[in-house]
Amino acid sequence: AQSVAQPEDQVNVAEGNPLTVKCTYSVSGNPYLFWYVQYPNRGLQFLLKYITGDNLVKGSYGFEAEFNKSQTSFHLKKPSALVSDSALYFCAVRDQAGTALIFGKGTTLSVSS
Amino acid sequence: DVKVTQSSRYLVKRTGEKVFLECVQDMDHENMFWYRQDPGLGLRLIYFSYDVKMKEKGDIPEGYSVSREKKERFSLILESASTNQTSMYLCASSSLAGGPYHEQFFGPGTRLTVL
Repeated sequence: AQSVAQPEDQVNVAEGNPLTVKCTYSVSGNPYLFWYVQYPNRGLQFLLKYITGDNLVKGSYGFEAEFNKSQTSFHLKKPSALVSDSALYFCAVRDQAGTALIFGKGTTLSVSS
Repeated sequence: DVKVTQSSRYLVKRTGEKVFLECVQDMDHENMFWYRQDPGLGLRLIYFSYDVKMKEKGDIPEGYSVSREKKERFSLILESASTNQTSMYLCASSSLAGGPYHEQFFGPGTRLTVL
């Protein structure tokens, strides 16, 4: 069965420092991976996705994610964090039927000034 | 831009009431989804629909039903609301064309409190 794990409930980083939010996955077949961000009392916003090809995927707001097949990981990264990046981040994988998404439990990112 | 709208941002209901949550999308998407979001549990799929009048159970369908009479509208129904259904409910839609790699677009969510 497909599954996603986000091993950290919270990540704290100082503004200007690089940030990483971790995600590992388990799939049968090709992995279709996604990152979403949720600001307080809002719906989820799509950040980026990996389908195939280049292992480094660039997305919205300066975020990127690195797909690593051998480690079954898809970590979200940003070279220089902003206070406004503080939010809840979700990693997701497409389910086996190729319709719904299976989400991780989410990681709260807190960027301090 | 894709727009997914939900009928209410906040809703307070009493135990035993029948509750309707409405979702409308304007991009002619075939797929529509209902998730509930709870702290520490992430998003869990309740039901989804891939066509008008078609529905599939997700991971936690108990206590819920859905209706899709028109392509743009997907309703979640709580037949008899209970306190353990207090949650944030998120609707999403996605295109079916082109395969499984299209992202889902989410509505703003409805925070339901059942007293």
